[in-house]
Amino acid sequence: KQEVTQIPAALSVPEGENLVLNCSFTDSAIYNLQWFRQDPGKGLTSLLLIQSSQREQTSGRLNASLDKSSGRSTLYIAASQPGDSATYLCAVRQVHGAGSYQLTFGKGTKLSVIP
Amino acid sequence: KAGVTQTPRYLIKTRGQQVTLSCSPISGHRSVSWYQQTPGQGLQFLFEYFSETQRNKGNFPGRFSGRQFSNSRSEMNVSTLELGDSALYLCASSLLYITDTQYFGPGTRLTVL
Repeated sequence: KQEVTQIPAALSVPEGENLVLNCSFTDSAIYNLQWFRQDPGKGLTSLLLIQSSQREQTSGRLNASLDKSSGRSTLYIAASQPGDSATYLCAVRQVHGAGSYQLTFGKGTKLSVIP
Repeated sequence: KAGVTQTPRYLIKTRGQQVTLSCSPISGHRSVSWYQQTPGQGLQFLFEYFSETQRNKGNFPGRFSGRQFSNSRSEMNVSTLELGDSALYLCASSLLYITDTQYFGPGTRLTVL
């Protein structure tokens, strides 16, 4: 059974700092990995999607990398801003059975950017 | 382009009742997935529909069911509600099956008393 772990569970940084969020998964036979952010009481906003054949994806100040063999992904946020404060979740898509694919989420990292 | 919409946004029910939640995907999207989010378990996958067929199912009891209509709109039904069903139910849509980015709605907050 796939397990997705995100460490740390919470992180507090001063504004302007660069930071890295970590995501690890136990089964490397994944189809893709997606990073999301969730603001309190809201749904999820997709940040980046990395297919299993890709090593990284970039969008603005965000860069996500994927190392399938080691079961790890990182989300790099450059020059953090207070508006980046949210919970960040990673999710892996994998084969769950014949013709079946399942999305498994980590518990998230709660980021606070202090002005 | 309008995002994913979910109705109702809030719902209060009592144990033993049944509830139906609705999800309208982004126009043109054919895949719809449902998730349950609780503080203890986090986000858990319920099921996924593509072109009116259930393609994937999570590890939830048969009390949880869903369907997708020809216009891609989806409904989720929970019968015989239990206190533990209290959660935020999230719906997500994507253009393609499996390979594409998922876009989430704001969720339906279900409280079971």
